[in-house]
Parts: sequence; C-alpha cells; structure tokens
Amino acid sequence: AQSVAQPEDQVNVAEGNPLTVKCTYSVSGNPYLFWYVQYPNRGLQFLLKYITGDNLVKGSYGFEAEFNKSQTSFHLKKPSALVSDSALYFCAVRDGTGNMLTFGGGTRLMVKP
Amino acid sequence: DAGITQSPRHKVTETGTPVTLRCHQTENHRYMYWYRQDPGHGLRLIHYSYGVKDTDKGEVSDGYSVSRSKTEDFLLTLESATSSQTSVYFCAISGVRQGGYEQYFGPGTRLTVT
Repeated sequence: AQSVAQPEDQVNVAEGNPLTVKCTYSVSGNPYLFWYVQYPNRGLQFLLKYITGDNLVKGSYGFEAEFNKSQTSFHLKKPSALVSDSALYFCAVRDGTGNMLTFGGGTRLMVKP
Repeated sequence: DAGITQSPRHKVTETGTPVTLRCHQTENHRYMYWYRQDPGHGLRLIHYSYGVKDTDKGEVSDGYSVSRSKTEDFLLTLESATSSQTSVYFCAISGVRQGGYEQYFGPGTRLTVT
C-alpha cells in the first residue's frame, strides 16, 4: 500500500524568507509525486509533479520541489515566500501502474508580513 | 477549476435521507473521482470511474454508491445519510492530455447531515 506523510501540521515563515514544506512517501515501484494547494473554500489546485527526469521540478507560482529517492522525500520549496502563499498544501503519490492518488494529511503554510 | 462543476455546492440533510451529489465535466476526460475531505485526514478516495459504467471502490466506500452513465457526469449517492458523512466532497478528473497523471479538482460540496 502506498502512503504519504507530511510531518508538519503548520509551517510559519516570514514574508521574503525561503520556505520548505516536507513530504515523505512510501510506494512500490517508481513513484509519481504531486503537490497541490488549497485556498479557503476552494478545490485543490495542481502545483507541480515529478514523474521522471530531473530531481528538481519547477511548478506554478514560483514553487519547486526536490525529489530524493534515497530519502523517499519530495519537499516543496520556494526561495521567497509571499503572504498570498498562505494556504493548505497537500502532497500526493501514486505508483506507476495505478490510477489512484494517496494524499498526505496536509500542511498549513502561514506567511506573515 | 478545469471545466468541472459540482452540484449542489452546499446541502443540509437529515439522518436517514438519501442524498445525491453531481459532478459534471466539460473536458471529456476518462477518469473521474470522488473524495471526501475531513480535518486531520486530508483527502480520502471514495470511488472512482475509469469509463462509462466502469467504477471501482476507493479507501472509504462504505455507505456510498456511484454511477456514471455519461462521460461528463459522475454521481455520488449516500443511500441513507449518517452524521459521520458530514464532510466536504470533491470531484476530480484526469485524462490522457495529462498522461493520466495529475488530477484536477472541482470546487467542492459541503454536506451537513443533522
């Protein structure tokens, strides 16, 4: 069975500082990894994905994520946080053969001015 | 929201009544999914569909049924609603254009069972 862990319920960062939201996963075979963002009273929005290739993946709104196979991690990063980045972030994984995503519990990012 | 609508957006119902939620897409995607979102649990898959009349169970399917008679519509039915089914329900789609990988989500339906 595949699983995702987001060890931090909340991450606080000052505007302009770099941010990291952590994600580790467990899956059989090659992982397909995703990050989504959810603003209040909205559905999830796709940010970026790792399927294969470069370990550093760039996505929407200046976000990027680093795939680390040995540590089974896929941390979300941004060099300079904005107040408008404050939202709920979800990491998700699927294996190479299935059609189902498994989501982590979510991390609330709070960016303070 | 990637051509996905959900109806109703909000519903309050009483325990024991049947409830049907509708997901409609204009993207002609093959795969459609129903999730529920609860605090501390993230999103959990209820059922999904891989084509017209082709459906399968997800992680939390007990108490729910689905139907897909047309590519664009995926219905989620709570046969007899219970208070534990109070949640926010999201529909998602994915298709060949994305390589069948990432999913795109609708705006959600907030269901309260009293």
